[in-house]
Amino acid sequence: GQQLNQSPQSMFIQEGEDVSMNCTSSSIFNTWLWYKQDPGEGPVLLIALYKAGELTSNGRLTAQFGITRKDSFLNISASIPSDVGIYFCAGPDDSNYQLIWGAGTKLIIKP
Amino acid sequence: DAGVIQSPRHEVTEMGQEVTLRCKPISGHDYLFWYRQTMMRGLELLIYFNNNVPIDDSGMPEDRFSAKMPNASFSTLKIQPSEPRDSAVYFCASSFVGVYEQYFGPGTRLTVT
Repeated sequence: GQQLNQSPQSMFIQEGEDVSMNCTSSSIFNTWLWYKQDPGEGPVLLIALYKAGELTSNGRLTAQFGITRKDSFLNISASIPSDVGIYFCAGPDDSNYQLIWGAGTKLIIKP
Repeated sequence: DAGVIQSPRHEVTEMGQEVTLRCKPISGHDYLFWYRQTMMRGLELLIYFNNNVPIDDSGMPEDRFSAKMPNASFSTLKIQPSEPRDSAVYFCASSFVGVYEQYFGPGTRLTVT
């Protein structure tokens, strides 16, 4: 079945650094969603991508829908402490209405 | 508008007890999803409803788990009897028909001792 592979699994960064993470699949996806989960909370939708090649920003966050439709990237510029959390990518299963989820990238800011 | 509401936020119970988790989706949303999240298995879809009708319950782990949606604004996930391995965070999410974006509640952290 369809799977999403996220990398890296975790990132240790300094405040102020730019962050880049990605999500890849062997299958084509027609929609890519990026979520963030804070500790003790539910995932929150950050960005939705609908078209191959699309580049969408939300504040300091920028996400891209890969041209091959098999990958997506999320970048965070000038990281701040509240960026800490787990970032998930997700895409719709092509046979039903469910979402396929990546395992997440955990972002940790070094003190 | 209020987001997805879940209750309780935390539940601690003893093995063998019945547990009921509750969810109120966003008004007007047609789809409702129940997920379970653990460190080992990540985010797993248990069941989802469309217009109050269960569509796919293949993720429900055992017959001990059941879910209902008696109306458009309320759903329950019940575990009877509960076991320690059911300890996890349970999320409810909802979405509009025709779009894939799901909106999550804050979750219920279940601990079964």
